[in-house]
Amino acid sequence: ETGVTQTPRHLVMGMTNKKSLKCEQHLGHNAMYWYKQSAKKPLELMFVYSLEERVENNSVPSRFSPECPNSSHLFLHLHTLQPEDSALYLCASSQEGQGGAGSSYEQYFGPGTRLTVT
Amino acid sequence: GEDVEQSLFLSVREGDSSVINCTYTDSSSTYLYWYKQEPGAGLQLLTYIFSNMDMKQDQRLTVLLNKKDKHLSLRIADTQTGDSAIYFCAESLRGRRALTFGSGTRLQVQP
Repeated sequence: ETGVTQTPRHLVMGMTNKKSLKCEQHLGHNAMYWYKQSAKKPLELMFVYSLEERVENNSVPSRFSPECPNSSHLFLHLHTLQPEDSALYLCASSQEGQGGAGSSYEQYFGPGTRLTVT
Repeated sequence: GEDVEQSLFLSVREGDSSVINCTYTDSSSTYLYWYKQEPGAGLQLLTYIFSNMDMKQDQRLTVLLNKKDKHLSLRIADTQTGDSAIYFCAESLRGRRALTFGSGTRLQVQP
């Protein structure tokens, strides 16, 4: 148990559906991340939020929409996805030091949501 | 550019030592990490090393860093069947929050 929870653990959705993934961290961290893990690619960063502000958006299609209402919660809203979006979506959190970007060094991951798009 | 590479697979016998290797290309790495992922689970941080260190030991785990060759290794002593998992090497770069991950090495421990 890392202190980062994700729901649901498994999700099957059609291409016309709208769904949301939820992440919650209980570690008092101030930065949260969405990563995508698919079978044939290394782990890919999607979004970074620091102090509830989106600070990185790694060229992710607009059918993925993140939301960070507070420092403990992170959502990923999904709509009109494609079958190639099927993957494990991992949330992570970390505590950034006063040095800002690059000074955080321990990211704690949730168990992931296994998404299948049919 | 950013590139972290690992071999895909390693098989060892229970009780032997395992050595998982990683190479990276960006010399501005600040920290290098090893994560473990068991089936159906997220990534678990095992250990990390600051880029100005060359070795770190933590119980059965030893991390070696050769900064000149941009080579990182993880040695697991007395490998157990519970160590079977995928091991990811990752680096953090100066000025970037996100980590860059390798593709992972699948460690299979045979009884």
